Amino acid sequence: SQKIEQNSEALNIQEGKTATLTCNYTNYSPAYLQWYRQDPGRGPVFLLLIRENEKEKRKERLKVTFDTTLKQSLFHFTASQPADSATYLCALDMGGNAGNMLTFGGGTRLMVKP
Amino acid sequence: DADVTQTPRNRITKTGKRIMLECSQTKGHDRMYWYRQDPGLGLRLIYYSFDVKDINKGEISDGYSVSRQAQAKFSLSLESAIPNQTALYFCATSDPGAGGTYEQYFGPGTRLTVT
Repeated sequence: SQKIEQNSEALNIQEGKTATLTCNYTNYSPAYLQWYRQDPGRGPVFLLLIRENEKEKRKERLKVTFDTTLKQSLFHFTASQPADSATYLCALDMGGNAGNMLTFGGGTRLMVKP
Repeated sequence: DADVTQTPRNRITKTGKRIMLECSQTKGHDRMYWYRQDPGLGLRLIYYSFDVKDINKGEISDGYSVSRQAQAKFSLSLESAIPNQTALYFCATSDPGAGGTYEQYFGPGTRLTVT
């Protein structure tokens, strides 16, 4: 079965710096890879989706890359702010043949210090 | 979160009790899901439903049952609660987006403690 690895240790960075989070997976590449933000005690919130044939996708201060050779997605948050502090989850969607079900990673906690 | 609501938000119950967690959505989505989240283990799928007549077991369905009363309502029951079912429970919904993708929309969660 698919295994997803996200750094379980918190990432601490200074305000204004770029945060880079990683999502590694084993086995087959997903049709889509999704990123979610989760604040303490709250449900995850969808941020961005990238398809297997897309190398990079941007949304405001966020850039996500997807490398099917390395089996890795990188999540870059530029000009980080304390309000960006949260846990970020990646999720793999294996596509329609698998019912578009999501498999989630354990998440990485990002702490942005002022 | 307002589009997907969960009740109760917090619940403490005793071992052996039967309890029900409820989920309602106003997004008009056909697909609904129940997950549990434990520290360090991420979200794990308990049950999912693609429509009112289609209910399927997920990765960790033992000890749980569900009911899809309507398109908008999906309930999760713990038949006889045990302490290792202490966790944060989330309901989610989805439908195909513009590109045929299935982003999920989560409720605020129910924190369940079994003593």
